[in-house]
Amino acid sequence: AQKITQTQPGMFVQEKEAVTLDCTYDTSDPSYGLFWYKQPSSGEMIFLIYQGSYDQQNATEGRYSLNFQKARKSANLVISASQLGDSAMYFCAMREGGRFGNEKLTFGTGTRLTIIP
Amino acid sequence: SQTIHQWPATLVQPVGSPLSLECTVEGTSNPNLYWYRQAAGRGLQLLFYSIGIDQISSEVPQNLSASRPQDRQFILSSKKLLLSDSGFYLCAWTQTGGLTEAFFGQGTRLTVV
Repeated sequence: AQKITQTQPGMFVQEKEAVTLDCTYDTSDPSYGLFWYKQPSSGEMIFLIYQGSYDQQNATEGRYSLNFQKARKSANLVISASQLGDSAMYFCAMREGGRFGNEKLTFGTGTRLTIIP
Repeated sequence: SQTIHQWPATLVQPVGSPLSLECTVEGTSNPNLYWYRQAAGRGLQLLFYSIGIDQISSEVPQNLSASRPQDRQFILSSKKLLLSDSGFYLCAWTQTGGLTEAFFGQGTRLTVV
């Protein structure tokens, strides 16, 4: 079964608009972390934002915020005031628990975001 | 500060030839280490991860193997490459004992011809 699901293979958004990238996850571990990464055409993986399963508030980092809905197991990334430089692949990822021997970091299939001028 | 080095950046190899990709981490000890493969325009597939020296977990049965001869060194190998081994290979590390983010190397673009 998929641990991380990103249902939007591609999105086109007008510059300066806000955009929401969807991510749902599946885990039975009460302790987990959720991450978003940006991958521009160069291939490097850029860490954007982190949300812990016990965090009471949604994480924010500049123009990035994570809409964490624990009961629905969703962790959507919101980018406010999109810019041309936001065009890239975006990956949602999850790291489960801290049990010995279970330190896997699992990624979704990604969403290709294109910002239109 | 911590850094991760991965090399080579690009590689073109003939079918049937061996492969060795190396990844080293500096500035931390006992990291978790990971090898991912990304096919063109696709997501990241976890190949191997390691929580310590000589402790390797394989996620996908395939033509590849991994080794961790030293605490901060992670090597991806193949005895005989297949065309389907082409892709973008990424090494990453995370701290142990916490749910912190992963830090990635610059990647190796492998083309098997």
